[in-house]
Amino acid sequence: EAGVTQFPSHSVIEKGQTVTLRCDPISGHDNLYWYRRVMGKEIKFLLHFVKESKQDESGMPNNRFLAERTGGTYSTLKVQPAELEDSGVYFCASSQDPGGRSPLHFGNGTRLTVT
Amino acid sequence: AQSVTQPDIHITVSEGASLELRCNYSYGATPYLFWYVQSPGQGLQLLLKYFSGDTLVQGIKGFEAEFKRSQSSFNLRKPSVHWSDAAEYFCAVSRSQGNLIFGKGTKLSVKP
Repeated sequence: EAGVTQFPSHSVIEKGQTVTLRCDPISGHDNLYWYRRVMGKEIKFLLHFVKESKQDESGMPNNRFLAERTGGTYSTLKVQPAELEDSGVYFCASSQDPGGRSPLHFGNGTRLTVT
Repeated sequence: AQSVTQPDIHITVSEGASLELRCNYSYGATPYLFWYVQSPGQGLQLLLKYFSGDTLVQGIKGFEAEFKRSQSSFNLRKPSVHWSDAAEYFCAVSRSQGNLIFGKGTKLSVKP
């Protein structure tokens, strides 16, 4: 079974540019999550999709972040325009069961550097 | 507010020595508890989980953790550390929707 795949693995962009991160969850997993870790801080929840619907987007920092999951398969997270404080590692995770008992399967993350 | 505290940012142990990583949580009810590990360049891998029942849970790679309700703790232990255990370890609690609240992580270094 293929795991959660994220790309790119690294992205370096200038302040004001746009970046799009992609996540391919494990096949059959309806639940897809985005998390972010800013350097030195906790890994923080951004949002949760159930299929193509946003179940919870309470962690999205501001309207410069746009997440989509068209067709309920892969997801993209776009940052436009990027700011310096957006630098960090963005993780995607998926699970079969939306309940709290279901472990999340994480991708390797995308390291975003905004200069 | 719900939170997870990992008081140790960085721990160094000798290979073969025992290990205990601390985790305390603040939550309204008994949460679902997890330990994840992140090796360099890798994603987060689940080590073990606690939902209910026996408070001592076994995980992969020889790790175990003990849930202590009275102390709001879920400490991770391993009797004998291997060099390959060098990584960053995250304690997490789960809300009902499955979203995780993480601690800041503890980086483990292993001396030969």
